[in-house]
Amino acid sequence: ELKVEQNPLFLSMQEGKNYTIYCNYSTTSDRLYWYRQDPGKSLESLFVLLSNGAVKQEGRLMASLDTKARLSTLHITAAVHDLSATYFCAVGLGGTSYGKLTFGQGTILTVHP
Amino acid sequence: KAGVTQTPRYLIKTRGQQVTLSCSPISGHRSVSWYQQTPGQGLQFLFEYFSETQRNKGNFPGRFSGRQFSNSRSEMNVSTLELGDSALYLCASSFPEGISRAFFGQGTRLTVV
Repeated sequence: ELKVEQNPLFLSMQEGKNYTIYCNYSTTSDRLYWYRQDPGKSLESLFVLLSNGAVKQEGRLMASLDTKARLSTLHITAAVHDLSATYFCAVGLGGTSYGKLTFGQGTILTVHP
Repeated sequence: KAGVTQTPRYLIKTRGQQVTLSCSPISGHRSVSWYQQTPGQGLQFLFEYFSETQRNKGNFPGRFSGRQFSNSRSEMNVSTLELGDSALYLCASSFPEGISRAFFGQGTRLTVV
């Protein structure tokens, strides 16, 4: 059974600082996603990572994928308050399980002034 | 382009009742997946439909069922509601294969009293 683990689960940051969220998964994966969720809202798609060494960046967020280590990271650069949210990684498998995503527990990020 | 639309947004039901939730995917998307989100269990996959057929199913009891119509709209039904069914139910749509992100609707907040 595929397991996806994120750490840390809670992250309190000061504005301007850098930090990384880690996502480990237990089975060879077809693709990995990062989502953001604001309180009471739905999931917003941030990145899709499809191959070993893939790196995607948007604004202050950068995601990378190491399929050999079964690890993805979400790096936050010079955090600002607007980045406060819960961040989820999700892993997809191929074949008959294509439409199913397995999510990590989520990382609650709070950025303080 | 309209996003994924879920109705209703909020619902209060009594134990033992049944409920039907609706999801209209993004135009052109033919895969619809359903997820349950609770504080204790996080995001859990319920099922996925493609071309009116259930393609994947999560580990939920038979009280949870769904269907998809020829226009790709999907419904999920929960019968004999239990207090533990209180959750945010999220629907996601995507293209059924290839490089594809799942886009989520706003969700239906179900409260069972």
